Amino acid sequence: DGGITQSPKYLFRKEGQNVTLSCEQNLNHDAMYWYRQDPGQGLRLIYYSQIVNDFQKGDIAEGYSVSREKKESFPLTVTSAQKNPTAFYLCASIQTDTEAFFGQGTRLTVV
Amino acid sequence: RKEVEQDPGPFNVPEGATVAFNCTYSNSASQSFFWYRQDCRKEPKLLMSVYSSGNEDGRFTAQLNRASQYISLLIRDSKLSDSATYLCVVNINTGGFKTIFGAGTRLFVKA
Repeated sequence: DGGITQSPKYLFRKEGQNVTLSCEQNLNHDAMYWYRQDPGQGLRLIYYSQIVNDFQKGDIAEGYSVSREKKESFPLTVTSAQKNPTAFYLCASIQTDTEAFFGQGTRLTVV
Repeated sequence: RKEVEQDPGPFNVPEGATVAFNCTYSNSASQSFFWYRQDCRKEPKLLMSVYSSGNEDGRFTAQLNRASQYISLLIRDSKLSDSATYLCVVNINTGGFKTIFGAGTRLFVKA
C-alpha cells in the first residue's frame, strides 16, 4: 500500500541537542511539506520541497533544517537554535495541485 | 494579511443543527481547494475537494466563490462524531505549486 510514514511517533530531546525527524513516502509525489502544530493551534509551515534537491523556507523556518536528496525522503532536523521545539510535527506529500497526504505525526518533547 | 483565513471558533452546536464555515483566501492564483478534518492529536484527513460548481457528500456541502475569494463548508444534521477541527486548504500556482492550510475552525457538537 502506498503511503507516507513518519518516525518516530514520540521523540524526547535534551536541551541543546539536535534531533532528526524522518518522513518517507512511496506515493511518487513531487512535493513534500513539514508543518508544526502547537496545542489548540493550526498548522504552521516550516519548510517545503517541490522537487528533489530543492526546498524553500516556510513561515517558521528558523531553528530547523531539511534536505531532499531523494524523492521519497524529506527529513527535518530540529536544531539547538530552535528554542521552543516541543510540538506536534506533521509531514505531508502532495502531487501537483491535488490533495495532501499526511503522516501520523511526531510528538517532540524537550526534557 | 494571511493567505488563508478561517474563523477559529469554537462553534458549539446541538445535535441535528446545521453549521457553516467560511474560509477566505487572498491570492488570486489559488487554483484548487479542499476541506480537511482533524481530530484531536491526529493528522488531518481529506474531507472533500471543493469544485467550482459546488459539491455535496451526504450531509456535507462545499462551495467555492471565486469572485469573492472564499470557500464554504455546510454540515447538516450535525452528529456528535462531527466534533473536530475543520481546515480549509488552498493550492496556489505561482510558477510552482504551494499548499496553504488555514488555521482551522473547531466544532463541538453537543447532545
